Amino acid sequence: DAMVIQNPRYQVTQFGKPVTLSCSQTLNHNVMYWYQQKSSQAPKLLFHYYDKDFNNEADTPDNFQSRRPNTSFCFLDIRSPGLGDAAMYLCATSRERVAGGQAKNIQYFGAGTRLSVL
Amino acid sequence: EDQVTQSPEALRLQEGESSSLNCSYTVSGLRGLFWYRQDPGKGPEFLFTLYSAGEEKEKERLKATLTKKESFLHITAPKPEDSATYLCAVDATGGTSYGKLTFGQGTILTVHP
Repeated sequence: DAMVIQNPRYQVTQFGKPVTLSCSQTLNHNVMYWYQQKSSQAPKLLFHYYDKDFNNEADTPDNFQSRRPNTSFCFLDIRSPGLGDAAMYLCATSRERVAGGQAKNIQYFGAGTRLSVL
Repeated sequence: EDQVTQSPEALRLQEGESSSLNCSYTVSGLRGLFWYRQDPGKGPEFLFTLYSAGEEKEKERLKATLTKKESFLHITAPKPEDSATYLCAVDATGGTSYGKLTFGQGTILTVHP
């Protein structure tokens, strides 16, 4: 089945040690998103790619970076993880809207990566 | 700034006891309202999208409705397997070719047998 796949499901890293989270999709969607979700909180958008165009949210810390080498893959890099970065990281994809049509930009999410920082 | 508020924060029901979850929103221009279900330790699963006031969508025991200020997710005769966190999100990004979602904090639903 077409889907959004995140690896690994669980990641443990040490304080300050760089970590990379991976997302791949078989939906051929041209928009990909990264969200951070802390316990009992709403998912918070970090950034998104529209094709190769990178869009950073204003309040996303500089510690977070992203790469999208092709349509199928997107990576989240955390350069120096702190204890406050422990969270679930969610990847999502959507199609672009059809011009003049109803906004069918449904976002489909992966299962998430649970990041722990020791 | 776009805001989404869900209530109640938590809801406990007996199996078969129907109820509703509320999602109130304040946005400059609504492009779409989305309902997701999230099980513990998993990513959100898409349920419904609504685009205009008066619209309704149904799926099994769930029915979503939309007004100009809020949306309701009605759960009819729930079963224990309906237990999950239900997230509401709005897309208010006019003029773009893609959507950015603003999520509410969710309602944790527990259905007891």
